[in-house]
Amino acid sequence: DTGVSQNPRHKITKRGQNVTFRCDPISEHNRLYWYRQTLGQGPEFLTYFQNEAQLEKSRLLSDRFSAERPKGSFSTLEIQRTEQGDSAMYLCASSGTGINQPQHFGDGTRLSIL
Amino acid sequence: AQSVSQHNHHVILSEAASLELGCNYSYGGTVNLFWYVQYPGQHLQLLLKYFSGDPLVKGIKGFEAEFIKSKFSFNLRKPSVQWSDTAEYFCAVTPGGGYNKLIFGAGTRLAVHP
Repeated sequence: DTGVSQNPRHKITKRGQNVTFRCDPISEHNRLYWYRQTLGQGPEFLTYFQNEAQLEKSRLLSDRFSAERPKGSFSTLEIQRTEQGDSAMYLCASSGTGINQPQHFGDGTRLSIL
Repeated sequence: AQSVSQHNHHVILSEAASLELGCNYSYGGTVNLFWYVQYPGQHLQLLLKYFSGDPLVKGIKGFEAEFIKSKFSFNLRKPSVQWSDTAEYFCAVTPGGGYNKLIFGAGTRLAVHP
């Protein structure tokens, strides 16, 4: 178990630029989740994949946000035309599909918008 | 709206003191309940979970939590804290008893002084 891997760890960009984050889940896990965490708050759910299918999206995920998991393995989260309010920690988690499988979290990607 | 409330944002204790962190959720149906911990500089880790059965759940590192359905509560306890318990603690719920999105509380930051 090598854990959930997220890249990059930190991203600093100017407002209006596009950014893309990558998440590599634990290899045998076919569920993958994205969360966003701002200072002083708990993580907020963004979206969830089972294999390559995106099964749920939060209303927090505006049309500037898109997530993919094309081969059912790694996932990418893209934010277009970034805004100041997008500054946050973006967390990825993965789990198996058995009953009551816990989610394992990565270290996150911290996004700072200048 | 479904939500999770953690009563204390910051708790400061001396080593060997007892700990109880409050967590209440607002959801009337079946829920799965979790406590996650985030040590400084590390990713979120599962501390313990409740799905069904005995409402007193034991987790890692001497932590336990009690599910009281009538109070919609899932409080975390430890009889004697150690300096190494300094961390942020998050209560989380999956409404409907499934294992999809986690709804987190805002977290409680615990500082244990030697």
